[in-house]
Amino acid sequence: KNEVEQSPQNLTAQEGEFITINCSYSVGISALHWLQQHPGGGIVSLFMLSSGKKKHGRLIATINIQEKHSSLHITASHPRDSAVYICALRGAQKLVFGQGTRLTINP
Amino acid sequence: DVKVTQSSRYLVKRTGEKVFLECVQDMDHENMFWYRQDPGLGLRLIYFSYDVKMKEKGDIPEGYSVSREKKERFSLILESASTNQTSMYLCASSLTSGATDTQYFGPGTRLTVL
Repeated sequence: KNEVEQSPQNLTAQEGEFITINCSYSVGISALHWLQQHPGGGIVSLFMLSSGKKKHGRLIATINIQEKHSSLHITASHPRDSAVYICALRGAQKLVFGQGTRLTINP
Repeated sequence: DVKVTQSSRYLVKRTGEKVFLECVQDMDHENMFWYRQDPGLGLRLIYFSYDVKMKEKGDIPEGYSVSREKKERFSLILESASTNQTSMYLCASSLTSGATDTQYFGPGTRLTVL
């Protein structure tokens, strides 16, 4: 079993819909990252969480340490949100990555 | 803004060739990383370096070596490229090894080995 599992693997939605991407993990962590990768390859860090909730614009990330679960929410989704979203666990010195969720927002 | 650059966006090489992938960061970061990304497998760590001339193996170091002669530059070397090394290669850097440190990624190099 992978240390980190993301769901769904693929998600297609209409513009304006509320989006939720989930990340479950099975190991102890010091922090959890949400990353965004646009077509073409560049990866951008969206959030780093060790507890609670963070919000940036239309994006909200939550983490429940006891349940070993994190969610990334996008409100009022837009076609420019189409990307691969990656959850990554921070261990001792390195990151362990989920397989990513490919999000497509249709106009 | 932190900038991480990689020497090539696309590279095509032949089996057996020696391949150099270069990564440069301009923010005096201590840590640098090389990952490969494959469909269905996500990003996997090949090597990382926490200081000049220091390196640590990641999860999949076989077939690769690295060099860090200067703080800003971290090179990934494929001594004898093979077709199973066809992949997207991503470099990243972070200021320190702290748990709350963000990794900044380069644009990636898509390598095809024929």
